[in-house]
Amino acid sequence: RKEVEQDPGPFNVPEGATVAFNCTYSNSASQSFFWYRQDCRKEPKLLMSVYSSGNEDGRFTAQLNRASQYISLLIRDSKLSDSATYLCVPNSGGYNKLIFGAGTRLAVHP
Amino acid sequence: DTGVSQNPRHKITKRGQNVTFRCDPISEHNRLYWYRQTLGQGPEFLTYFQNEAQLEKSRLLSDRFSAERPKGSFSTLEIQRTEQGDSAMYLCASSLSLASSYNEQFFGPGTRLTVL
Repeated sequence: RKEVEQDPGPFNVPEGATVAFNCTYSNSASQSFFWYRQDCRKEPKLLMSVYSSGNEDGRFTAQLNRASQYISLLIRDSKLSDSATYLCVPNSGGYNKLIFGAGTRLAVHP
Repeated sequence: DTGVSQNPRHKITKRGQNVTFRCDPISEHNRLYWYRQTLGQGPEFLTYFQNEAQLEKSRLLSDRFSAERPKGSFSTLEIQRTEQGDSAMYLCASSLSLASSYNEQFFGPGTRLTVL
């Protein structure tokens, strides 16, 4: 089993839609979790951090289910500018080595 | 620009040649990471430095790969005798270590390597 599994998508949604991505992880010792956003041919940038059961930042909500070992990212009122790949990242190393999922691609259309 | 910088941004080389990439982290950051990313995959961890000490190397880092951070500031990643399978985006990230919790890793724009 891969350490991190994500639905690769693509998710094609209209502007204004609500979309959710799920991510499962295998290392039960992971303490913190992150969602990174990566635009095409650009570097990853941190979108959200999750330390407890969840986190909300504007239109973005991340939820963590430790018992089932999955985290989700919910995007409300999608914008064209949300089109990107979203990478799920459990923090598995004491020195914060990042283990990335393969990413879920989102395409928001007019 | 005070972010992480990487040079060159693109490198095309012939199989068998050696290449060297440079990463300049954010100035006060003491941790520096190298990752590799291929098409359709997330970044994969290669190696990590705390100051000038290289503390871990992934098994992905074969004997042809070597990384240094001689003065605890910039780092270089060298690939000797390049192979076509080395073609990828090489990403550098840096962070500032604190006593606890996660410290955000800031990524550079990457060096895209193409081995012909």
